Amino acid sequence: GAVVSQHPSWVICKSGTSVKIECRSLDFQATTMFWYRQFPKQSLMLMATSNEGSKATYEQGVEKDKFLINHASLTLSTLTVTSAHPEDSSFYICSARDGGMGTDTQYFGPGTRLTVL
Amino acid sequence: AQSVSQHNHHVILSEAASLELGCNYSYGGTVNLFWYVQYPGQHLQLLLKYFSGDPLVKGIKGFEAEFIKSKFSFNLRKPSVQWSDTAEYFCAARVSTGRRALTFGSGTRLQVQP
Repeated sequence: GAVVSQHPSWVICKSGTSVKIECRSLDFQATTMFWYRQFPKQSLMLMATSNEGSKATYEQGVEKDKFLINHASLTLSTLTVTSAHPEDSSFYICSARDGGMGTDTQYFGPGTRLTVL
Repeated sequence: AQSVSQHNHHVILSEAASLELGCNYSYGGTVNLFWYVQYPGQHLQLLLKYFSGDPLVKGIKGFEAEFIKSKFSFNLRKPSVQWSDTAEYFCAARVSTGRRALTFGSGTRLQVQP
């Protein structure tokens, strides 16, 4: 199956700093990538939809100035958590849509655990 | 509003028991349906998906799911579970056109005892 990577897999930062998370589709081109947030023992909540070459679409309640998304190429999307605070600590998961003929499926990255001190 | 419901939050089974996990969705229009599995410490993996056609879908590792349109359901089944099936299972849905973002259910934690 298709492979999606995320980097870093975990990060610890101080309150007030910014953290960038990368999401890459390794063996297919993804015009659309999605960013989710997963709290412990809970489901995935969609944060935003990232389209290559255009602005991201954010879900209601997600601050676009805090969670900056860039989708500069067909294989890379980045999520930057700006001025991070302890409440931003969470598990962030990206997925990439493989829209090829006969498939059209999202493949998920392994996630990035962010801890803000 | 679009939503996906999983009513079983935690299921405990013995090996070789049969499994059925419920999933109901609330969507207008045509939907695509998915089951994902998340093994401990690992990322989400696709078990199976339904877009159209035969409502009985077979996936990997012996799992299958049946789409029942009249009941807005997409239940996951496996005739005989193994200890290695211990994981979190998520049902997800999306509209068949448009943005393609998935809406996830709350997940079901399956624990299989040897």
